[in-house]
Amino acid sequence: AQSVTQLDSQVPVFEEAPVELRCNYSSSVSVYLFWYVQYPNQGLQLLLKYLSGSTLVKGINGFEAEFNKSQTSFHLRKPSVHISDTAEYFCAVSEGRGSTLGRLYFGRGTQLTVWP
Amino acid sequence: GAVVSQHPSWVICKSGTSVKIECRSLDFQATTMFWYRQFPKQSLMLMATSNEGSKATYEQGVEKDKFLINHASLTLSTLTVTSAHPEDSSFYICSARDYGQNNQPQHFGDGTRLSIL
Repeated sequence: AQSVTQLDSQVPVFEEAPVELRCNYSSSVSVYLFWYVQYPNQGLQLLLKYLSGSTLVKGINGFEAEFNKSQTSFHLRKPSVHISDTAEYFCAVSEGRGSTLGRLYFGRGTQLTVWP
Repeated sequence: GAVVSQHPSWVICKSGTSVKIECRSLDFQATTMFWYRQFPKQSLMLMATSNEGSKATYEQGVEKDKFLINHASLTLSTLTVTSAHPEDSSFYICSARDYGQNNQPQHFGDGTRLSIL
């Protein structure tokens, strides 16, 4: 089974500051990587995904993430955050083959709070 | 874009009641749907994988007789919490994968807040 680690449970930042939310995973096979955002009492919305190709992935709302295979990381970044970015962010991994096709393994989540 | 509709969004009921939650894929066919449970301030825990026309695959520790899953069509899966008790109170979220789109992102519903009194 996969293991997804989000190192920070809470990240407080001021508006317009840059932010990085960290994610590491454990896998010896090819993986697909995702970042989701969850607003209160809502489901998950896909921010971005890495399936193959360029290791720098751009998503919605100005977010981007970089896949680093050697460090098994997929950190999420945004150069300038807004108050509306306050939400819970989940990193998720899906293995690329076998019976686990399609199953997502989630990290514990990182609460991003943007202060004015 | 692809949309998954989950209903109801909120439900409050008495202990001992059975509650049915519906998950629909509105503009695509979903051979596989997933049911998750989320406790406050925690991540999503996969409860079961629902496959159209066959029995659901439950994760270890999830009572299949307690959480009945039916996936009768390519656009609808239901989760029934039977004889619900206060400890079943939680946020339940479904997701669906587009038919033939292996490892493309799952599309999530908006969740159902279940409160058992």
